[in-house]
Order: sequence, then C-alpha cells, then structure tokens
Amino acid sequence: EPEVTQTPSHQVTQMGQEVILRCVPISNHLYFYWYRQILGQKVEFLVSFYNNEISEKSEIFDDQFSVERPDGSNFTLKIRSTKLEDSAMYFCASSAGTGGGYTFGSGTRLTVV
Amino acid sequence: AQTVTQSQPEMSVQEAETVTLSCTYDTSESNYYLFWYKQPPSRQMILVIRQEAYKQQNATENRFSVNFQKAAKSFSLKISDSQLGDTAMYFCAFMKHSNFGNEKLTFGTGTRLTIIP
Repeated sequence: EPEVTQTPSHQVTQMGQEVILRCVPISNHLYFYWYRQILGQKVEFLVSFYNNEISEKSEIFDDQFSVERPDGSNFTLKIRSTKLEDSAMYFCASSAGTGGGYTFGSGTRLTVV
Repeated sequence: AQTVTQSQPEMSVQEAETVTLSCTYDTSESNYYLFWYKQPPSRQMILVIRQEAYKQQNATENRFSVNFQKAAKSFSLKISDSQLGDTAMYFCAFMKHSNFGNEKLTFGTGTRLTIIP
C-alpha cells in the first residue's frame, strides 16, 4: 500500500535554529498538508498546499513557517527560528481530493531545547 | 467554524467485548465528511472509517462501525470483538465538502482506549 514518508523521525534542535522537516507524499496525490500535535493534545491543522501554492493556513502558521515542494516529489516544512513551544509531533499528509480522507505519514518528533 | 467534541478522555474494555466511542460535532455545513482515526503508541495516524454526510447508511469496516445521527450531529464508533491491537488513541475528525479539493480536518481531543487482556 502506498505510504507517505517523513524524515527524520526525530529531530532535536536548539532554540533559534532553523529546521526543515521532509515529506514524500503519495505520488498521484494532489493535495498536501502539515499538521501538528503537541504532546497529549489534539492534532491541529497548519497548512494545506495545492498546485504549488498554499491553499489555506491556520493562525499557528505564522511568518516563522514556510512550505515548499522543491522538486515535484518532496514536500517540506521549514521553521525559521524555532521556539520551545514548537516542540511537537509534525505530521505530513496527502490526499487525492474530494473527501477521500488523508494518508498520514508516521510523523517527525521535533524537540526544541 | 466547526468543532468536534469527544467527551470520553479514556476508556477501557475487556478483550473480545464491544466498546462504543462517542463524538459530537457542530457545523452549519450541510455536506461534509466524518472520520475516525486511530493513533497507536507508534503515534502514526491511521484511518479507521469514513462517513459521507449525505449517505444515511452507516459505514462499516470489518469490526468497526459507526452510528451516524445527522440531526443530532453525533458520530459514534463501535468496535466489536475488541483486540489487544485496538489499544490506541482514537480521534474523531470533521471535513467540510469542497468542489475544489480536500479541505482541512478538524479533530476532537481524542479518546484513549485500552483493551485489557
């Protein structure tokens, strides 16, 4: 069964550093997403991406965040200057469209120290 | 804006028994989708079941079924013949319909389900 692949599985970074989280969505999917889950809390929407541009973003997705699909296969989330409160599990997801449900990756656990 | 409420933070049940997880939601949309996702200790998000709001028939996937009550805005998940591998966090989620592609998912706070041997 096709998978969404995320790397790394765990990243530790110092506060103020830039991090890039990487995702390879399912190849024939058109819609891409990033979600965040702070430990013990619910999963929150960050951003959706379609046709090489952001479709929608949440209030969490401020100027510190950016997304990119640099080469037609990877989908990245960049956090420019990490804060302690950015520590969370970050999930990438992709879908073919029209309410079919997403396929989530296995997540990247980001720890900011 | 949509909200999803899961009122049971934790539940436990003996192996082989049946358990029902509750979910209610609030929306002004008439056409939408509802989902249950499972998150085992590995933290992966796994789609369990999906319901289209315009379908009256309740969705079923093997041991998993839903009770969708549109007027009451209720969407409960029933797990029959529960197995140890069902131990996980279960999230209810809402997505409004769009003709332009998928919309975002709005999640509830989750129910932690433990299956007792």
